[in-house]
Amino acid sequence: DTEVTQTPKHLVMGMTNKKSLKCEQHMGHRAMYWYKQKAKKPPELMFVYSYEKLSINESVPSRFSPECPNSSLLNLHLHALQPEDSALYLCASSQGPPGLTNSPLHFGNGTRLTVT
Amino acid sequence: EDQVTQSPEALRLQEGESSSLNCSYTVSGLRGLFWYRQDPGKGPEFLFTLYSAGEEKEKERLKATLTKKESFLHITAPKPEDSATYLCAASGYSSASKIIFGSGTRLSIRP
Repeated sequence: DTEVTQTPKHLVMGMTNKKSLKCEQHMGHRAMYWYKQKAKKPPELMFVYSYEKLSINESVPSRFSPECPNSSLLNLHLHALQPEDSALYLCASSQGPPGLTNSPLHFGNGTRLTVT
Repeated sequence: EDQVTQSPEALRLQEGESSSLNCSYTVSGLRGLFWYRQDPGKGPEFLFTLYSAGEEKEKERLKATLTKKESFLHITAPKPEDSATYLCAASGYSSASKIIFGSGTRLSIRP
């Protein structure tokens, strides 16, 4: 079992739907991340939150909207997605803020998203 | 530009047949070199962090080593349950706080 919990595990949504992915960690980590992973590819960074503030946005389309309500929670709001957005969406956390420490990422098991 | 390259892309071994996976990195000012294991449909599971050349870490049948240009993940007498994709990642002072992933090695162990 991982210490980063993601819900839901699977999500199927139409192109006009609005949905949200949720992530929670209780390790006291101060940085949280969203990654997107396509089959047989490595994870691709989307967003980084450091001390609850957005510190990195990898030029992600605005149909993906991140939110960090507190240091333990991270959401990803989805709206008007395209079929090519279908992927495994991974949440991760690290002990220290990126750029200041070399602590590893700890990943959740992801949400498998299918856009129809 | 910082880069992480893994080889081979896929590796099939017989149970008990030891081997090594390679991770070459070009990162200015290495902060950390990370190894992860990923099972199908799951998130990557953290295995090791290496910080400086000459460092070695072990866990069960796995041993990770680091030089100034490469890291190796040695698998001794593997079992079918070691089958997974192994990801290498690096963080450098010049990479603007990002961890750069290699494309992974898909390891398959036949009984």
